[in-house]
Amino acid sequence: GEDVEQSLFLSVREGDSSVINCTYTDSSSTYLYWYKQEPGAGLQLLTYIFSNMDMKQDQRLTVLLNKKDKHLSLRIADTQTGDSAIYFCAEKLDTGTASKLTFGTGTRLQVTL
Amino acid sequence: DAGITQSPRHKVTETGTPVTLRCHQTENHRYMYWYRQDPGHGLRLIHYSYGVKDTDKGEVSDGYSVSRSKTEDFLLTLESATSSQTSVYFCAITGGSGADTQYFGPGTRLTVL
Repeated sequence: GEDVEQSLFLSVREGDSSVINCTYTDSSSTYLYWYKQEPGAGLQLLTYIFSNMDMKQDQRLTVLLNKKDKHLSLRIADTQTGDSAIYFCAEKLDTGTASKLTFGTGTRLQVTL
Repeated sequence: DAGITQSPRHKVTETGTPVTLRCHQTENHRYMYWYRQDPGHGLRLIHYSYGVKDTDKGEVSDGYSVSRSKTEDFLLTLESATSSQTSVYFCAITGGSGADTQYFGPGTRLTVL
């Protein structure tokens, strides 16, 4: 099966930038996603990028995609305490009957004062 | 928020008992998914549905069955619960077009004693 890998933990100071990294294995992925999960809650879609793009910016969020290296990153500018959460990357695999997502194991972001 | 609810939100049951979790959507989306979330594994797909009465297995389907008799409801059944099925279960929906983003319900925390 396909594996999506993420580092487990990242700690940053409030106001700094956070960079969360992800590597994926399926070169035929069409879309890649970033989700945020706060304690006790479901997953909230943050942003996504189409595989023919290199970068996508959405307010404080910047997604970079290196398709050659199968590397995806999420940069959060001016990180705030409310950004503390678990962040999941996911790749979309088309199966013919339904699109399936393969998720990474998640990166826990801790924002310190 | 996408109109997805899950019930119950919390359940404690005993090994060997049957359990049914319900996912209800008000978006009229075609595709519905059941995932389980466990530490160190991210989210893993159990079963999914691509229409009424149309379902298929995901990567961790053993011990689970599903049914979809109406567009809005997708049921996940554990025929005989085991302790290894203690987990948080998430339902997701998607309309199946474009970026095909999946929107998640709030989750059900199931404990099997």
